[in-house]
Amino acid sequence: DAKTTQPPSMDCAEGRAANLPCNHSTISGNEYVYWYRQIHSQGPQYIIHGLKNNETNEMASLIITEDRKSSTLILPHATLRDTAVYYCIVRVDGSARQLTFGSGTQLTVLP
Amino acid sequence: DSGVTQTPKHLITATGQRVTLRCSPRSGDLSVYWYQQSLDQGLQFLIQYYNGEERAKGNILERFSAQQFPDLHSELNLSSLELGDSALYFCASSVGALAGRETQYFGPGTRLLVL
Repeated sequence: DAKTTQPPSMDCAEGRAANLPCNHSTISGNEYVYWYRQIHSQGPQYIIHGLKNNETNEMASLIITEDRKSSTLILPHATLRDTAVYYCIVRVDGSARQLTFGSGTQLTVLP
Repeated sequence: DSGVTQTPKHLITATGQRVTLRCSPRSGDLSVYWYQQSLDQGLQFLIQYYNGEERAKGNILERFSAQQFPDLHSELNLSSLELGDSALYFCASSVGALAGRETQYFGPGTRLLVL
């Protein structure tokens, strides 16, 4: 699976959009970008994933650049409950393989 | 609620002992994954089962073993426990090896403390 690079920490004001970047410059054509988050000591929570098109669900939006070398997770209206570690993971789909977690980005939403 | 259940929530035991952690996957999911999260190591993959068969192994110690039963629930057995085995143990499940159907859903975890 391709390696990802994320900033170790970010702050965001409550009610504002949180934009979390991820660099995956060695991504292969059949690798998806997945985002998970972990709220303190809870089980990681799936947020969203995509291959090359932008994706949106009830939790977030995922913007993938045209060359697929980077992506941004957008939480449109961050709340205090969005404070968590966010993990960007790149992996081949259809292989039923494990997730490889990096260090992630600690997002702190400030009141 | 992810639909994945894990028991017990907390476990306190002594060095040298043996414990069993249990995981029930989401209904319909055939794959079960076990992960360990300690303070200094982050989330580490241990082992995966798919429909009762071992599918992949990660950084799992020889003192640890797992199995998946016909009803698809899984157990992780940890023996000869050491202080360093204190960690959060998470189970995750997914439908299986189908493109687009591999989102893993995690349980709430079991917090193990070895004294």
